[in-house]
Amino acid sequence: SQQGEEDPQALSIQEGENATMNCSYKTSINNLQWYRQNSGRGLVHLILIRSNEREKHSGRLRVTLDTSKKSSSLLITASRAADTASYFCAPLEGAQKLVFGQGTRLTINP
Amino acid sequence: DAGVIQSPRHEVTEMGQEVTLRCKPISGHNSLFWYRQTMMRGLELLIYFNNNVPIDDSGMPEDRFSAKMPNASFSTLKIQPSEPRDSAVYFCASSPGTGSNTGELFFGEGSRLTVL
Repeated sequence: SQQGEEDPQALSIQEGENATMNCSYKTSINNLQWYRQNSGRGLVHLILIRSNEREKHSGRLRVTLDTSKKSSSLLITASRAADTASYFCAPLEGAQKLVFGQGTRLTINP
Repeated sequence: DAGVIQSPRHEVTEMGQEVTLRCKPISGHNSLFWYRQTMMRGLELLIYFNNNVPIDDSGMPEDRFSAKMPNASFSTLKIQPSEPRDSAVYFCASSPGTGSNTGELFFGEGSRLTVL
């Protein structure tokens, strides 16, 4: 199994701006998943993109996947204070287990 | 659905004591995972089960840690004896498993363990 490496480690923006987080991984994958963790809570699944997909949308979230570069990005548009959280990417290979990186800590300033 | 249920939510104990953390996965999910989260090491996968059978325990830090899944609706993570460096938040997560299978995980709210 492999873990994703999120970049940047921390991001601070103003409310209403867009937030972009990146993820890199090392080997081929079945899918890549993004999770959010609010302070003191468990992780929550946000969105999944399969290896044969290049872009996916869910509400204010947009995820892209570039398998040639082994990278993914998560874009949150029109950010809100409630988006303040840590965001993790998790690439899934053939095996079932997901290994998480250190995440990106996103702070939305009012 | 109630989601993944973990207990206790908080535990404070003294070094050397036995600690047992409990998890009830989402009904119908075939896979169960135990993770540990600390500031220094991030989120570490300790062990996971498929159909109540341990599949990969390579993340279990040492023999003081053990995990069981006696049936599809219950799992325990035991630390005996506990040490201060075991202080962390322990998460249980379940997944629909082989029937699905996107690998999407559903996390509980965690058990925050403090060992004095």
